[in-house]
Amino acid sequence: AQSVTQLDSQVPVFEEAPVELRCNYSSSVSVYLFWYVQYPNQGLQLLLKYLSGSTLVKGINGFEAEFNKSQTSFHLRKPSVHISDTAEYFCAGANFGNEKLTFGTGTRLTIIP
Amino acid sequence: DVKVTQSSRYLVKRTGEKVFLECVQDMDHENMFWYRQDPGLGLRLIYFSYDVKMKEKGDIPEGYSVSREKKERFSLILESASTNQTSMYLCASSFVKGTYEQYFGPGTRLTVT
Repeated sequence: AQSVTQLDSQVPVFEEAPVELRCNYSSSVSVYLFWYVQYPNQGLQLLLKYLSGSTLVKGINGFEAEFNKSQTSFHLRKPSVHISDTAEYFCAGANFGNEKLTFGTGTRLTIIP
Repeated sequence: DVKVTQSSRYLVKRTGEKVFLECVQDMDHENMFWYRQDPGLGLRLIYFSYDVKMKEKGDIPEGYSVSREKKERFSLILESASTNQTSMYLCASSFVKGTYEQYFGPGTRLTVT
């Protein structure tokens, strides 16, 4: 069965510093991977997704992620964060043929002015 | 733009009450989902529907039921609310055989007293 692990529950980062949010998945079949963002008191919004092709995926708001099959990772990165990036970030995965997503437990990103 | 709406943003109910949470999507999606979100646990799937009148249990269906009489509407029912069902409830929808991307509503924060 698919499982998704987010290694950090909270990540504090200074404004304009780079950030990496870590995500590992386990699967023996083809996998699709997603990063969602949840701003305070809102639903989830898709940041980016990996379905196939290039392993470097670019998303909205300057975020990108790299699919690494050998390390079963899909880490999210941004070179310079802003106060507006304060939110909770969820990694999710799905196996081909299964319509359901498996979510990680989330990483709360706090930007320090 | 896909829009997923939920009937209430905040709801307060008493123990033992029957509670209905409504979700409507306007993109003709076949799949609809109900999740609950709790701190440190991420999103957990309660129920999934892949067609009108079709449903499938998720990871935590106990204490919940669902109804899907029309394609655009998916209801979550708490037959007899309990305090441990105090949570954030998120509805989502997606296309069958699409990119597996789910679109989320804004959430309903339910408090059971």
